[in-house]
Amino acid sequence: DTGVSQDPRHKITKRGQNVTFRCDPISEHNRLYWYRQTLGQGPEFLTYFQNEAQLEKSRLLSDRFSAERPKGSFSTLEIQRTEQGDSAMYLCASSTETVYTEAFFGQGTRLTVV
Amino acid sequence: GIQVEQSPPDLILQEGANSTLRCNFSDSVNNLQWFHQNPWGQLINLFYIPSGTKQNGRLSATTVATERYSLLYISSSQTTDSGVYFCAVVRYRNNRLAFGKGNQVVVIP
Repeated sequence: DTGVSQDPRHKITKRGQNVTFRCDPISEHNRLYWYRQTLGQGPEFLTYFQNEAQLEKSRLLSDRFSAERPKGSFSTLEIQRTEQGDSAMYLCASSTETVYTEAFFGQGTRLTVV
Repeated sequence: GIQVEQSPPDLILQEGANSTLRCNFSDSVNNLQWFHQNPWGQLINLFYIPSGTKQNGRLSATTVATERYSLLYISSSQTTDSGVYFCAVVRYRNNRLAFGKGNQVVVIP
C-alpha cells in the first residue's frame, strides 16, 4: 500500500482548455474526497464519494467541474474551460467507511492557468 | 458552517525551543486531525485526536472537545518542523473536514 496517489503533480494549461486529474485512494478505503487549496488558505471541500456514488458537492464546484468514480476505485476531476481563478492545489483524500475515521491525503496536483 | 480558528498565524522559533499551537472550533465535532503541510504541498498526518491526549516523539496533542479546542505541542523544535500546521474537524452529522487557515512555523538554526 503506497497511500493516496495523485497524477499529475503539476499541470500548466492555457485559459479555456480542459484538464483532468486522477486520484487513486488507499485500496480498502470506501470514501474519497476532493479539496482545493489556494495560496495562504486551508483546503476547501469540493466533493466526496462513497464507493461510486457522489454524495455531496460544495457550492465551489461550479458546472465547469465534474468528478467521477466509476468503479468505486480511482476518481477523476475534470475542469472545463479553465479560468485563471482555477489556479490552485487540488488535493484528494480517502478514508474508510465513515467520515469519523482518519483521512489521508495525496501529494496534490498543482494547477496553473496562464 | 463550522468555524475553525488557529493561532498564532505565524510563529518564528529558535531551534530547540518549545511551542504550542491552538485550534478553536465553533461546534461539536466527531473528528479532529492535525496535519503538517510539507514544502511540496502534501498534507502529512500528525494526529487523529477527536478527544484526549496523544504523543508521537517530540509532538503531542490534546483535544478538549467539551470546550471546543485542541492544542499541538512541539518540543525541542528542529528546522525540519518548519512548515504550515493545519487543524481540521468534522462537525457532528457532517461529511467533510473543515480546515483552519493554518499556523506558519519557521524554525531558525
